[in-house]
Amino acid sequence: ETGVTQTPRHLVMGMTNKKSLKCEQHLGHNAMYWYKQSAKKPLELMFVYSLEERVENNSVPSRFSPECPNSSHLFLHLHTLQPEDSALYLCANSQDGLAYEQYFGPGTRLTVT
Amino acid sequence: AQSVSQHNHHVILSEAASLELGCNYSYGGTVNLFWYVQYPGQHLQLLLKYFSGDPLVKGIKGFEAEFIKSKFSFNLRKPSVQWSDTAEYFCAPRSVDSNYQLIWGAGTKLIIKP
Repeated sequence: ETGVTQTPRHLVMGMTNKKSLKCEQHLGHNAMYWYKQSAKKPLELMFVYSLEERVENNSVPSRFSPECPNSSHLFLHLHTLQPEDSALYLCANSQDGLAYEQYFGPGTRLTVT
Repeated sequence: AQSVSQHNHHVILSEAASLELGCNYSYGGTVNLFWYVQYPGQHLQLLLKYFSGDPLVKGIKGFEAEFIKSKFSFNLRKPSVQWSDTAEYFCAPRSVDSNYQLIWGAGTKLIIKP
């Protein structure tokens, strides 16, 4: 148990659908992250929020839209995705953005059909 | 651009064998270094980390890693592996110039034969 929950754990969606991924952390940490994990590729950092403000956006397509309404919740809104967006999406958080360890959730396995 | 290389994508060992997983990074400045592990069906978790001081760091479950600055390396070691060490291992350096970005390796899948 890492104190980080993600829902749903599995999601299948068509290319025209709109869905959202949710992440909740119970650690009181200030920094939250979205990562994409694809087979045989390094983890790709997508977005970083610190104190509810977005501080990193690594050239992610606009069909991915993050939202951080408070320090405990992070969302990733999805629309008009492509099959190549199928991957495991991981939420993580850390006490701050500096040298602190990142705590990961179990991920949402997304399949775009 | 900063990068990290994990030399082996797949490693298969028998129980009680010794393990060394290579990690080399390209950044020439000051770095913090992390190894994360992902057991089958579980979340990524920290195995060990190096910030400063003794270049030989010890982590959980008997793992250790040695930071060799001159070789830009941070290899992971364990003298005697167990079946339960079957997992994927990720090396992740972080430049101290970057507040948030870890540079992740592609991972090494380790399979331990019982």
